[in-house]
Amino acid sequence: DAGVTQSPTHLIKTRGQQVTLRCSPKSGHDTVSWYQQALGQGPQFIFQYYEEEERQRGNFPDRFSGHQFPNYSSELNVNALLLGDSALYLCASNFLSGGGKQYFGPGTRLTVT
Amino acid sequence: RKEVEQDPGPFNVPEGATVAFNCTYSNSASQSFFWYRQDCRKEPKLLMSVYSSGNEDGRFTAQLNRASQYISLLIRDSKLSDSATYLCVVTHSSGTYKYIFGTGTRLKVLA
Repeated sequence: DAGVTQSPTHLIKTRGQQVTLRCSPKSGHDTVSWYQQALGQGPQFIFQYYEEEERQRGNFPDRFSGHQFPNYSSELNVNALLLGDSALYLCASNFLSGGGKQYFGPGTRLTVT
Repeated sequence: RKEVEQDPGPFNVPEGATVAFNCTYSNSASQSFFWYRQDCRKEPKLLMSVYSSGNEDGRFTAQLNRASQYISLLIRDSKLSDSATYLCVVTHSSGTYKYIFGTGTRLKVLA
């Protein structure tokens, strides 16, 4: 039973560029959430997708956008990258009717130079 | 003030010691509570859910005090492998189960 997978593992981008991160949820899960974790901090909620729609959004600018596909996989897009966007981006999945317990993927480490 | 607060530590304890972490939350509408463990540069992994009646899983005991709005994690007989960051997580009753994390408490178990 595959867990949550994310790609790529690492990414280096330049300020102003755009990036797309990908996530496949754990088998049987229908909900995907994205989090940003800066060094030394706890993860911060970006947004959550269910039934291909954004259900809730954290305090992140519109430069952060996402998408969920019919197979429940998801993408996180960040436009006009800033140095402060350098972080570990975590994807988590859960079965919405199952009590909300979330399982995390290994993350994508984004460095913006 | 952050919605979920934890002492960042680090807590340096000898093997075999008992160590306790606390976490306070400010939103009284918080619904579910968890402890996650995160190893350096890895993803958070669910350690245990926290229930009002308190719950235990081997050497780990979690407690919830809704009146005082805090949760705790007790680790008995610490092992070297317990060295990690422990993240407190709270969700609201919004139906989306958006996770709100504390900053995490670093634990280092010394030989």
